[in-house]
Amino acid sequence: DTEVTQTPKHLVMGMTNKKFLKCEQHMGHRAMYWYKQKAKKPPELMFVYSYEKLSINESVPSRFSPECPNSSLLNLHLHALQPEDSALYLCASSQAGGFSGNTIYFGEGSWLTVV
Amino acid sequence: AQRVTQPEKLLSVFKGAPVELKCNYSYSGSPELFWYVQYSRQRLQLLLRHISRESIKGFTADLNKGETSFHLKKPFAQEEDSAMYYCALSGGQEYGNKLVFGAGTILRVKS
Repeated sequence: DTEVTQTPKHLVMGMTNKKFLKCEQHMGHRAMYWYKQKAKKPPELMFVYSYEKLSINESVPSRFSPECPNSSLLNLHLHALQPEDSALYLCASSQAGGFSGNTIYFGEGSWLTVV
Repeated sequence: AQRVTQPEKLLSVFKGAPVELKCNYSYSGSPELFWYVQYSRQRLQLLLRHISRESIKGFTADLNKGETSFHLKKPFAQEEDSAMYYCALSGGQEYGNKLVFGAGTILRVKS
């Protein structure tokens, strides 16, 4: 099983709403990621978790709050978002560790629309 | 700093023609290079990684450290190859397993 599962596939939320995106993998990977992708643009890294600890925050606004409840799950809490935050949010995972050739596997993404 | 450059936004070729998608990188250490492909309405998926030196769907890519390039090649393009292709670089665990993408190149294969 080389799958990263994301829910929901589509989410429409108002600027005052609180919601979250969920990501799950059962490959035993210990590194998990959130990326943001705008239309026809490359994915941009938001957060990296390594062994359930936040290791990279790419200066993401605090209205995005990641959470890693356990080694298989990664959530992205959303609060007070702006319309420009509308995008495809991609979760990914990889084996953490020092060996070379870490392959990062991506989920299908959650399409977020902020109204 | 990690940087990946894909100079072409769009590459349009005829079926059966050779394809070369260009990728250049900037990185001070020993990089790990990847090609990812995104077909229409499908998830981003790994196509190739340089350490494997493999051929997938007829595509190959060779890391040229002297030219800091990792161009993707295929001798005979097929219509089903039409997709967005991203070159990506990872600095490994030292850089938090951070994967940085190029801007992407749309490949259109015409019949």
